[in-house]
Formats: sequence, structure tokens, C-alpha cells
Amino acid sequence: DTGVSQDPRHKITKRGQNVTFRCDPISEHNRLYWYRQTLGQGPEFLTYFQNEAQLEKSRLLSDRFSAERPKGSFSTLEIQRTEQGDSAMYLCASSSGTSGYNEQFFGPGTRLTVL
Amino acid sequence: GENVEQHPSTLSVQEGDSAVIKCTYSDSASNYFPWYKQELGKRPQLIIDIRSNVGEKKDQRIAVTLNKTAKHFSLHITETQPEDSAVYFCAAPMDTGRRALTFGSGTRLQVQP
Repeated sequence: DTGVSQDPRHKITKRGQNVTFRCDPISEHNRLYWYRQTLGQGPEFLTYFQNEAQLEKSRLLSDRFSAERPKGSFSTLEIQRTEQGDSAMYLCASSSGTSGYNEQFFGPGTRLTVL
Repeated sequence: GENVEQHPSTLSVQEGDSAVIKCTYSDSASNYFPWYKQELGKRPQLIIDIRSNVGEKKDQRIAVTLNKTAKHFSLHITETQPEDSAVYFCAAPMDTGRRALTFGSGTRLQVQP
């Protein structure tokens, strides 16, 4: 499968624990996005990387959230001191290009449940 | 930042009928408008997009129209089939020059056989 992959697909954790998710974009894509989706809603933007540079961050991204893309390939999203309100589907997407807009290809998501 | 509103939230049509979903946006400088389809339990997938230099784009049974003056764009699905049943999301750039997208709240389309 040459599409966007995410790991794990499901994560159940207790409130206060830290969790880390991984996203592997389509190999030639230089742009990578993280979104969060709750039931019945559209994806909400969290952060955007072009290569290894984190260029955009949402105001939704509190200081408990951090994302990295160290070599411009895979990315990780870490949530520290999880809260019940963090329960959601975390989607990663990737696209190509250096200017303008191209199709964002989404991964299958990581479903986080905070107990 | 951009604000995208999507209507209706649910839509039920008979197989073979047409379906229309409408989105309005707030930033007159927005220039890219994609539509994503998300089937139950699956990832969102792009079905069609339009850029601000054209007013309409078609791909088989799917079309998107853009009215820049009124700041709205619509998805049209003709000859609907049961496999068109899904949630559809419109989107627009969050801010001028930004790559991130703001998504609408979604329309659940049910095609009755």
C-alpha cells in the first residue's frame, strides 16, 4: 500500500498519560498535515509541515501537543497529560507541491480514547 | 480566518435523483475549494476540487460550481446511486496564502434504493 499510513490505528489511554502517534506520508510528498476529527464534524486543522519545517499551527494546538517531522519524511504527534476532551480521530494527510494547492491524501487515522 | 458553512446537514434522495450540497465561505481571497467524501469508518477522499479562476468543473456524475461574488460553491451529484451514500465535506483555505484547510461540518447523504 503506497498511501498514507498511520500507527497505531487505535489507542486507549488513561487521563494524564502521554501518547504518541506516527504518520508515514506518501513517499514523494513534501507537505504533511495533522487534523483532528470528532464524531459528526469535519476535520479540524492542527499543524502543517513543509519538508521538516513546521510552518503552520492552529490555535487549537495547546502546549500539551507537539509535532515533529525530523527528516522531512514521517511525522509524530505527541499529546502530553491527555484529557478526556482529547478523545477524537487524529488524521494525517500529505500532498505534493511547493506553491498553490494540491490534493491532500488522508491516512486511515488514529482513534484516541481517553478514559 | 476563513469560515465555511455547509448545508444541509442531512440529505435523503431516491436513487437516480440529483443531490445538491452548498457551502458558503467568508474570505473573498480564497482560491481553492475541494470536496471530500467520507464513507463510514473510512478516511476522507477528494472527489473534486475547483479553483477560483473557473466557475464550474465536471467529472462524470459530479460537478462543482463556484460563485465568487456570492462566496458560495456547490456540489452536484446526478443520477445518484446507493454507493454515493456517505458524508460529504467542503473545504477552503484557512487564510490567504495558508496551506491548511477549513472544513465544513459535513452533509450526510443517504441514497434510497
